[in-house]
Amino acid sequence: AQSVSQHNHHVILSEAASLELGCNYSYGGTVNLFWYVQYPGQHLQLLLKYFSEDPLVKGIKGFEAEFIKSKFSFNLRKPSVQWSDTAEYFCAVNSYYGNNRLAFGKGNQVVVIP
Amino acid sequence: DTGVSQDPRHKITKRGQNVTFRCDPISEHNRLYWYRQTLGQGPEFLTYFQNEAQLEKSRLLSDRFSAERPKGSFSTLEIQRTEQGDSAMYLCASSFVQSYEQYFGPGTRLTVT
Repeated sequence: AQSVSQHNHHVILSEAASLELGCNYSYGGTVNLFWYVQYPGQHLQLLLKYFSEDPLVKGIKGFEAEFIKSKFSFNLRKPSVQWSDTAEYFCAVNSYYGNNRLAFGKGNQVVVIP
Repeated sequence: DTGVSQDPRHKITKRGQNVTFRCDPISEHNRLYWYRQTLGQGPEFLTYFQNEAQLEKSRLLSDRFSAERPKGSFSTLEIQRTEQGDSAMYLCASSFVQSYEQYFGPGTRLTVT
């Protein structure tokens, strides 16, 4: 079964600071990797995805993530955060082959202070 | 709005009562997924449909839970004899068969008192 670990569940930082959220997954086969974001009062939205392409993936709103296969990691980064980046961020994985069901991590609650 | 919709958005019920939630996926999406999210956790997979066929159910889905997707369009999730442990956000997502991207609805928040 797939599993996903996210650390530092609560992150508080100031505007213009850099953000990095760690994500490690456990699965022996080929995977697809995702970061979803949930802004306050809104539903889950796809931030970026990795489908066996360039390991450095760029998403919306200046976010990027790097897939390191040897480390089973898919860390999310943003060089300079804004107050509007306050949200909960979830890393997710599914099997490249199969039913596409997603396994999520517990999420990172990120608060950006203006 | 052409996204995934769910109804109701909030449901408060007493323990032992039955509840039913509805999900309307994005039009023409073949796959429909149900997830459950409790406080401090990420969403957990419950079940999924491809068209009208329910193809997989998680061990989290006890016998009190049943889901349907008649005609391969909207889906319903019913919980019978609700328990306090059923209190959670129930999320629906949809996708094309050939796509790995799932689009989520706003969820139904269930509170069992």
